[in-house]
Amino acid sequence: KAGVTQTPRYLIKTRGQQVTLSCSPISGHRSVSWYQQTPGQGLQFLFEYFSETQRNKGNFPGRFSGRQFSNSRSEMNVSTLELGDSALYLCASSLRDRDEKLFFGSGTQLSVL
Amino acid sequence: EDQVTQSPEALRLQEGESSSLNCSYTVSGLRGLFWYRQDPGKGPEFLFTLYSAGEEKEKERLKATLTKKESFLHITAPKPEDSATYLCACSGGTSYGKLTFGQGTILTVHP
Repeated sequence: KAGVTQTPRYLIKTRGQQVTLSCSPISGHRSVSWYQQTPGQGLQFLFEYFSETQRNKGNFPGRFSGRQFSNSRSEMNVSTLELGDSALYLCASSLRDRDEKLFFGSGTQLSVL
Repeated sequence: EDQVTQSPEALRLQEGESSSLNCSYTVSGLRGLFWYRQDPGKGPEFLFTLYSAGEEKEKERLKATLTKKESFLHITAPKPEDSATYLCACSGGTSYGKLTFGQGTILTVHP
């Protein structure tokens, strides 16, 4: 069974640009969440989706947004990139509603120059 | 605000030298405490979920325990392949789907 797939694996952008990251959850999983990982802050929660609805959002500015499609695939978007947005962005999926046992992808490493 | 603190930040062991990693938490209405393992360049890999004080779970050389204030990850006779960053995370309150992570413990096991 394939795991959580994130694309692209690496991304280099410049300040002011925007970026879209993609996540395909494990087949049959309906909940998707996103985390940002940096050496200084560790893993921080961005948002969580279930059945195309964002149910929870972390303390990030409005430049960070996301969505989930009817096939449970998810995208997150960061607009007007800042240097501090450089991080590993991790997507995780879980099987059922309110199931907090998360399965993570390998992440997208975003570098903002 | 929920807080999760892990110690030590880094731990170096000789192969076969058993030890423990600590995770202390301040979470309102703890629902679950999770342990993950993360290898370089990869996402966290799920190890255990603990739900109530006194609960214990084991997997190979790893054993996780939970009290009302902290959790321990015991590593018995570690091998070099156990080298990784071990992350502790908690969920609680009314915010489902949001885990609060600790900073992790970097474990290095020397042969």
